[in-house]
Amino acid sequence: QSALTQPASVSGSPGQSITISCTGTSSDVGGYNYVSWYQQHPPKAPKLLIYDVSNRPSGVSDRFSGSKSGNTASLTISGLQAEDEADYYCISYTTINTWVFGGGTKLTVL
Amino acid sequence: QVQLQQWGAGLLKPSETLSLTCDVYGESFSGYSWSWIRQSPGKGLEWIGEINHTGSTDYNPSLKSRVTMSLDTSRKQFSLKLRSVTGADTAMYYCSRGGYHWGQGTLVTVSS
Repeated sequence: QSALTQPASVSGSPGQSITISCTGTSSDVGGYNYVSWYQQHPPKAPKLLIYDVSNRPSGVSDRFSGSKSGNTASLTISGLQAEDEADYYCISYTTINTWVFGGGTKLTVL
Repeated sequence: QVQLQQWGAGLLKPSETLSLTCDVYGESFSGYSWSWIRQSPGKGLEWIGEINHTGSTDYNPSLKSRVTMSLDTSRKQFSLKLRSVTGADTAMYYCSRGGYHWGQGTLVTVSS
C-alpha cells in the first residue's frame, strides 16, 4: 500500500486559515469515511484531532475541521496560533482492512 | 480514563526479535482494537497493525511476514513481535487505542 500524499510543508500567519490536503485513491480515502488527522509536536506522541473525516474528539478546538471530496481529505485550521506549529498526519482505512498514513506536513506559523 | 504503559527492550542486534508489550489501565479491555505504530527518526508515522478484542489481526503488508500481535485479556495487555530486525526497524514504537489513547513510546535501536 502506498502512503497517502500530503504537502511536505505549509505556512501561515497568526489569525489566518490554512488547509492541508491528503490525497489517496478510491481504495482508501475515496472509499471510506474513515479518515483521521493527527497533530504531533515532536518528540511527543501524536494527538488525534479529527476522526471519521470531520468529527472532533472532546477537548479538541473547533478551529480544527475536516472534510473530504472524492479521493482527497482536507484539514483546515482557522485562526492560526503559534502553538499550531507542528507536524500533521492523515490516516485512512483501506480496502484490505489496513490503515495507511500520509507522509506528514510540517506547519510553520510565520 | 484509559492509560497505556508500554515496555520492552530498546536495543537489539540485527536478526533479533523486537518484543514490546502495552499494559492497559483504567477501562475495559474488551470491545476495542489495539494498534502499534512506529516512527523512524526524523520520518513520518507508519501503521504496523492492529488486534481486536477477539484476537483477530490485520498487519501492514510490508511487515506482515515478520509481525505477530497478541493479546492477554486477563492481564489487560497486548504485544508486538517483529522478527529478523534490521537497522531499518530503528524507530519510536507506540501502542494506541483508536488513535486517541497512546503509550509513551519506546525507542528501539537496532545496531550491531
